[in-house]
Amino acid sequence: QVQLVESGGGVVQPGRSLRLSCAASGFTFRTYGMHWVRQAPGKGLEWVAVISYDGSKKYYADSVKGRFTISRDNSKDTLYLQMNSLRAEDTAVYYCAKDVIYGDSPAYFDHWGQGTLVTVSS
Amino acid sequence: QSVLTQPPSVSGAPGQRVTISCTGSSSNIGAGYDVHWYQQLPGTAPKLLIYANINRPSGVPDRFSGSKSGTSASLAITGLQAEDEGDYYCQSYDSSLSGSVFGGGTKLTVL
Repeated sequence: QVQLVESGGGVVQPGRSLRLSCAASGFTFRTYGMHWVRQAPGKGLEWVAVISYDGSKKYYADSVKGRFTISRDNSKDTLYLQMNSLRAEDTAVYYCAKDVIYGDSPAYFDHWGQGTLVTVSS
Repeated sequence: QSVLTQPPSVSGAPGQRVTISCTGSSSNIGAGYDVHWYQQLPGTAPKLLIYANINRPSGVPDRFSGSKSGTSASLAITGLQAEDEGDYYCQSYDSSLSGSVFGGGTKLTVL
């Protein structure tokens, strides 16, 4: 069965950096696009970024463009999100989500991790 | 302000039918992009409920159904049950943003 396990969340000061990881299992990781989606406390879902199956294509929400970088290591079945210049408004639960295809075209998310909480506060 | 617009809340008694609307624009739903729905029960991660406008993943009861027309889509839930209480989100793709977009979410209360 598909499993996605996020890690790396925590409390960080504004302006600092944090890297999230998502360990995948139960499917052929290297053949699917992967996404990060976040949810601020008490708020709705916000798509953050997508990376294609081979890492060649990456797209970001305007709110994180230039500050966040999505990447993957297909040899380790792991997805990453490098978050720099963090702001209070980045405080959220960050979910990794599996795309149903390659990640380079409009699609949807058929499996989600349990999420990891990032709190940006001084 | 979300790109896709949903009502903040809906409610219904057990056994009743409720619908949740999702309104977009010419750069997302109106452009022909599919609409997908997710259910998020309290304290859990979202779960895929409806994909490509009308399709249910394996394991999702047929009490849940989706439809799409023009720049809008709808999720219908019949035979409401207490365990359906939670938040529901629509999702599509927006060509002007070059990324996925979500509705603001609708909180379903079973009275």
